[in-house]
Amino acid sequence: ELKVEQNPLFLSMQEGKNYTIYCNYSTTSDRLYWYRQDPGKSLESLFVLLSNGAVKQEGRLMASLDTKARLSTLHITAAVHDLSATYFCAGALQGAQKLVFGQGTRLTINP
Amino acid sequence: DAGVIQSPRHEVTEMGQEVTLRCKPISGHDYLFWYRQTMMRGLELLIYFNNNVPIDDSGMPEDRFSAKMPNASFSTLKIQPSEPRDSAVYFCASSLRKTGGRTEAFFGQGTRLTVV
Repeated sequence: ELKVEQNPLFLSMQEGKNYTIYCNYSTTSDRLYWYRQDPGKSLESLFVLLSNGAVKQEGRLMASLDTKARLSTLHITAAVHDLSATYFCAGALQGAQKLVFGQGTRLTINP
Repeated sequence: DAGVIQSPRHEVTEMGQEVTLRCKPISGHDYLFWYRQTMMRGLELLIYFNNNVPIDDSGMPEDRFSAKMPNASFSTLKIQPSEPRDSAVYFCASSLRKTGGRTEAFFGQGTRLTVV
Protein backbone atom coordinates (compact mmCIF):
# COMPACT_ATOMS: atom_id res chain seq x y z
CA GLU A 1 0.00 0.00 0.00
CA LEU A 2 1.30 3.42 -0.93
CA LYS A 3 1.47 6.04 1.79
CA VAL A 4 2.37 9.65 1.15
CA GLU A 5 3.49 12.03 3.86
CA GLN A 6 4.16 15.72 3.61
CA ASN A 7 5.94 18.07 5.87
CA PRO A 8 5.50 20.57 7.18
CA LEU A 9 1.71 20.53 7.39
CA PHE A 10 1.57 24.24 8.13
CA LEU A 11 4.00 26.86 6.94
CA SER A 12 3.87 30.57 7.52
CA MET A 13 6.49 32.62 5.80
CA GLN A 14 7.29 36.13 4.76
CA GLU A 15 7.25 37.44 1.25
CA GLY A 16 10.59 37.26 -0.42
CA LYS A 17 11.80 34.20 1.46
CA ASN A 18 12.57 30.74 0.10
CA TYR A 19 11.24 27.51 1.47
CA THR A 20 10.77 23.84 0.64
CA ILE A 21 7.89 21.42 1.16
CA TYR A 22 8.82 17.76 1.41
CA CYS A 23 6.87 14.75 0.22
CA ASN A 24 7.92 11.24 1.21
CA TYR A 25 6.29 8.12 -0.11
CA SER A 26 6.45 4.60 1.19
CA THR A 27 6.92 2.37 -1.80
CA THR A 28 7.76 2.51 -5.46
CA SER A 29 5.66 5.13 -7.13
CA ASP A 30 5.57 5.45 -10.88
CA ARG A 31 4.91 9.18 -10.84
CA LEU A 32 4.47 12.03 -8.46
CA TYR A 33 2.06 14.95 -8.71
CA TRP A 34 1.80 18.32 -7.07
CA TYR A 35 -1.55 20.08 -6.77
CA ARG A 36 -2.61 23.43 -5.42
CA GLN A 37 -5.89 24.12 -3.64
CA ASP A 38 -7.18 27.58 -2.75
CA PRO A 39 -9.68 27.82 0.11
CA GLY A 40 -13.09 26.53 -0.94
CA LYS A 41 -11.83 25.68 -4.41
CA SER A 42 -10.89 22.67 -6.43
CA LEU A 43 -7.47 21.10 -6.90
CA GLU A 44 -5.32 22.50 -9.68
CA SER A 45 -2.56 20.38 -11.17
CA LEU A 46 0.87 22.01 -10.93
CA PHE A 47 3.45 19.38 -11.86
CA VAL A 48 3.75 15.78 -12.95
CA LEU A 49 7.12 14.14 -12.28
CA LEU A 50 7.79 10.89 -14.04
CA SER A 51 11.37 9.87 -13.53
CA ASN A 52 14.25 10.00 -11.13
CA GLY A 53 15.92 13.37 -11.21
CA ALA A 54 12.97 15.04 -12.90
CA VAL A 55 12.76 18.76 -12.25
CA LYS A 56 9.94 21.02 -13.33
CA GLN A 57 9.64 24.76 -12.82
CA GLU A 58 6.80 27.20 -13.18
CA GLY A 59 7.38 30.74 -12.03
CA ARG A 60 8.50 30.73 -8.40
CA LEU A 61 7.73 27.04 -7.91
CA MET A 62 10.11 24.20 -8.67
CA ALA A 63 9.40 20.52 -8.10
CA SER A 64 11.88 17.67 -8.13
CA LEU A 65 11.80 13.92 -7.70
CA ASP A 66 14.33 11.51 -6.20
CA THR A 67 12.93 8.01 -6.64
CA LYS A 68 15.79 6.36 -4.77
CA ALA A 69 15.07 8.41 -1.67
CA ARG A 70 11.31 8.23 -2.35
CA LEU A 71 11.23 11.97 -1.96
CA SER A 72 9.80 14.86 -3.88
CA THR A 73 10.27 18.52 -3.01
CA LEU A 74 8.40 21.66 -3.91
CA HIS A 75 10.65 24.68 -3.61
CA ILE A 76 9.27 28.18 -3.39
CA THR A 77 11.58 31.00 -4.39
CA ALA A 78 11.06 34.59 -3.25
CA ALA A 79 7.53 33.88 -2.09
CA VAL A 80 4.69 36.25 -2.90
CA HIS A 81 1.28 36.47 -1.25
CA ASP A 82 -0.48 34.95 -4.27
CA LEU A 83 1.20 31.63 -3.55
CA SER A 84 -0.74 31.25 -0.30
CA ALA A 85 -2.71 28.00 -0.69
CA THR A 86 -2.67 24.36 0.35
CA TYR A 87 -0.26 22.22 -1.63
CA PHE A 88 -0.74 18.49 -2.03
CA CYS A 89 1.56 15.86 -3.38
CA ALA A 90 0.15 12.59 -4.67
CA GLY A 91 1.67 9.35 -5.88
CA ALA A 92 0.48 6.35 -7.81
CA LEU A 93 1.66 2.76 -7.77
CA GLN A 94 3.25 1.46 -10.93
CA GLY A 95 0.63 0.89 -13.55
CA ALA A 96 -2.16 2.08 -11.28
CA GLN A 97 -4.36 5.04 -12.01
CA LYS A 98 -5.57 6.02 -8.58
CA LEU A 99 -3.73 8.78 -6.77
CA VAL A 100 -2.85 8.63 -3.09
CA PHE A 101 -2.60 12.09 -1.58
CA GLY A 102 -0.49 13.46 1.20
CA GLN A 103 -2.09 15.44 4.01
CA GLY A 104 -1.43 18.76 2.35
CA THR A 105 0.73 21.69 3.41
CA ARG A 106 -1.11 24.88 4.21
CA LEU A 107 1.15 27.71 3.12
CA THR A 108 0.52 31.26 4.31
CA ILE A 109 2.68 34.04 2.94
CA ASN A 110 2.63 37.24 4.91
CA PRO A 111 3.46 40.63 3.44
CA ASP B 1 -13.84 21.58 -22.75
CA ALA B 2 -15.62 22.88 -19.66
CA GLY B 3 -13.69 20.59 -17.38
CA VAL B 4 -15.19 18.19 -14.85
CA ILE B 5 -18.64 19.37 -13.86
CA GLN B 6 -20.23 18.49 -10.56
CA SER B 7 -23.66 19.22 -9.22
CA PRO B 8 -24.93 20.45 -6.93
CA ARG B 9 -22.18 22.71 -5.62
CA HIS B 10 -23.74 22.78 -2.18
CA GLU B 11 -26.19 20.42 -0.55
CA VAL B 12 -27.73 20.65 2.89
CA THR B 13 -29.88 17.75 3.93
CA GLU B 14 -31.34 16.22 7.03
CA MET B 15 -30.01 13.06 8.56
CA GLY B 16 -31.67 10.02 7.08
CA GLN B 17 -32.36 11.57 3.71
CA GLU B 18 -30.98 10.26 0.44
CA VAL B 19 -28.37 12.41 -1.27
CA THR B 20 -27.23 12.08 -4.87
CA LEU B 21 -24.13 13.80 -6.17
CA ARG B 22 -23.51 14.07 -9.90
CA CYS B 23 -20.47 14.28 -12.09
CA LYS B 24 -19.79 14.83 -15.76
CA PRO B 25 -16.17 13.97 -16.63
CA ILE B 26 -14.08 15.56 -19.34
CA SER B 27 -15.09 14.19 -22.70
CA GLY B 28 -12.82 11.38 -23.86
CA HIS B 29 -11.43 10.59 -20.43
CA ASP B 30 -11.52 6.92 -19.50
CA TYR B 31 -11.06 7.11 -15.74
CA LEU B 32 -13.37 8.67 -13.19
CA PHE B 33 -12.62 9.05 -9.50
CA TRP B 34 -14.70 10.05 -6.49
CA TYR B 35 -12.78 11.60 -3.59
CA ARG B 36 -13.95 12.88 -0.23
CA GLN B 37 -12.16 15.69 1.60
CA THR B 38 -12.48 16.39 5.32
CA MET B 39 -10.27 18.24 7.75
CA MET B 40 -9.69 15.11 9.79
CA ARG B 41 -8.99 12.59 7.06
CA GLY B 42 -7.78 14.72 4.15
CA LEU B 43 -8.43 13.52 0.62
CA GLU B 44 -9.66 9.93 0.45
CA LEU B 45 -10.39 7.98 -2.69
CA LEU B 46 -13.82 6.40 -2.46
CA ILE B 47 -14.14 4.60 -5.78
CA TYR B 48 -12.89 4.78 -9.32
CA PHE B 49 -14.11 3.61 -12.70
CA ASN B 50 -12.36 2.68 -15.92
CA ASN B 51 -14.48 2.79 -19.06
CA ASN B 52 -17.60 2.96 -16.87
CA VAL B 53 -16.68 -0.17 -14.90
CA PRO B 54 -15.97 0.12 -11.16
CA ILE B 55 -12.38 -0.96 -10.55
CA ASP B 56 -11.76 -0.29 -6.88
CA ASP B 57 -14.43 0.57 -4.34
CA SER B 58 -12.38 -0.28 -1.27
CA GLY B 59 -12.58 3.31 -0.08
CA MET B 60 -16.36 3.39 0.07
CA PRO B 61 -17.03 3.78 3.78
CA GLU B 62 -20.05 1.51 4.11
CA ASP B 63 -23.09 0.14 2.39
CA ARG B 64 -24.85 3.46 2.64
CA PHE B 65 -22.62 4.67 -0.17
CA SER B 66 -23.05 3.57 -3.76
CA ALA B 67 -21.72 4.86 -7.07
CA LYS B 68 -22.70 4.25 -10.65
CA MET B 69 -21.43 5.22 -14.05
CA PRO B 70 -24.14 4.37 -16.57
CA ASN B 71 -22.24 5.92 -19.47
CA ALA B 72 -18.98 7.66 -20.28
CA SER B 73 -20.35 11.12 -19.56
CA PHE B 74 -22.12 10.70 -16.25
CA SER B 75 -21.58 9.30 -12.78
CA THR B 76 -23.46 9.49 -9.50
CA LEU B 77 -22.52 9.00 -5.88
CA LYS B 78 -25.45 8.23 -3.64
CA ILE B 79 -25.65 8.21 0.12
CA GLN B 80 -28.70 6.58 1.65
CA PRO B 81 -29.42 7.21 4.47
CA SER B 82 -27.16 10.19 5.09
CA GLU B 83 -25.57 10.86 8.47
CA PRO B 84 -23.90 13.97 9.93
CA ARG B 85 -20.47 12.30 9.67
CA ASP B 86 -20.89 12.23 5.89
CA SER B 87 -20.53 16.01 5.84
CA ALA B 88 -17.54 16.73 3.61
CA VAL B 89 -16.54 18.05 0.22
CA TYR B 90 -16.90 15.40 -2.45
CA PHE B 91 -14.73 15.75 -5.53
CA CYS B 92 -15.04 14.02 -8.82
CA ALA B 93 -11.96 13.78 -11.05
CA SER B 94 -11.29 12.32 -14.47
CA SER B 95 -8.20 11.32 -16.37
CA LEU B 96 -7.06 9.82 -19.63
CA ARG B 97 -4.52 7.05 -19.50
CA LYS B 98 -1.59 7.94 -21.74
CA THR B 99 1.41 5.93 -22.84
CA GLY B 100 4.55 6.82 -20.95
CA GLY B 101 2.62 7.17 -17.71
CA ARG B 102 1.81 10.85 -17.93
CA THR B 103 -1.72 10.54 -16.65
CA GLU B 104 -3.08 13.65 -15.00
CA ALA B 105 -6.29 13.81 -13.00
CA PHE B 106 -8.48 16.90 -13.40
CA PHE B 107 -10.80 17.76 -10.56
CA GLY B 108 -14.28 19.21 -10.52
CA GLN B 109 -15.29 22.09 -8.26
CA GLY B 110 -16.62 19.74 -5.63
CA THR B 111 -19.92 19.34 -3.82
CA ARG B 112 -20.00 20.61 -0.26
CA LEU B 113 -22.37 18.32 1.61
CA THR B 114 -23.75 19.21 5.01
CA VAL B 115 -25.93 16.70 6.83
CA VAL B 116 -27.79 18.16 9.80
